[in-house]
Amino acid sequence: EVQLVESGGGLVQPGGSLRLSCAASGFTFSSYSMNWVRQAPGKGLEWVSYISSSSSTIYYADSVKGRFTISRDNAKNSLYLQMNSLRAEDTAVYYCAREALGEFAFDIWGQGTMVTVSS
Amino acid sequence: QSVLTQPPSASGTPGQRVTISCSGSSSNIGSNYVYWYQQLPGTAPKLLIYRNNQRPSGVPDRFSGSKSGTSASLAISGLRSEDEADYYCAAWDDSLSWVFGGGTKLTVL
Repeated sequence: EVQLVESGGGLVQPGGSLRLSCAASGFTFSSYSMNWVRQAPGKGLEWVSYISSSSSTIYYADSVKGRFTISRDNAKNSLYLQMNSLRAEDTAVYYCAREALGEFAFDIWGQGTMVTVSS
Repeated sequence: QSVLTQPPSASGTPGQRVTISCSGSSSNIGSNYVYWYQQLPGTAPKLLIYRNNQRPSGVPDRFSGSKSGTSASLAISGLRSEDEADYYCAAWDDSLSWVFGGGTKLTVL
């Protein structure tokens, strides 16, 4: 079964750091570009970051640029999001999403992991 | 404030046809494909439409998408109670980012 499972969320103080992980299974992870998308409580979807299959191309939303770092380990079938200098407005469910081959569509999503930034 | 503009809510009765609009600009919808995602309550989003009007396998043909200029729309015909969900449009923006609409909450009356 094709699956993405996020982990690493939790409660962190403003200014703190957190590292999210996304474990992929059921497909050839190294062939796919990946993304992080977040959703604040009761709000809409917000794209966070993109990484190509070989990590050669990386993009960030302006709201996280300079604070978040996306990375991947194809040998471990894993995607990561290192989040530093966290702010209250970063509070959200963070989803990892696979980009379909040959398309830009996010065709597979994880169940999400909740990040709460609060003192 | 989302880059793409959607109505916050829409509604219809079972069997009806409803449409949800999505308005953008020349740098996103005007020059790139539009995608639609369905998010059922308490679940992760699901891809509904890609490349403006293509349905992934398993998505009923009751769902259809279209695009004209800098606007797009999602149509749902033969509305069913299980269609009650939040719907989001998305597009790649030439500023090298993905942009989403604010979402439309569809209520089946």
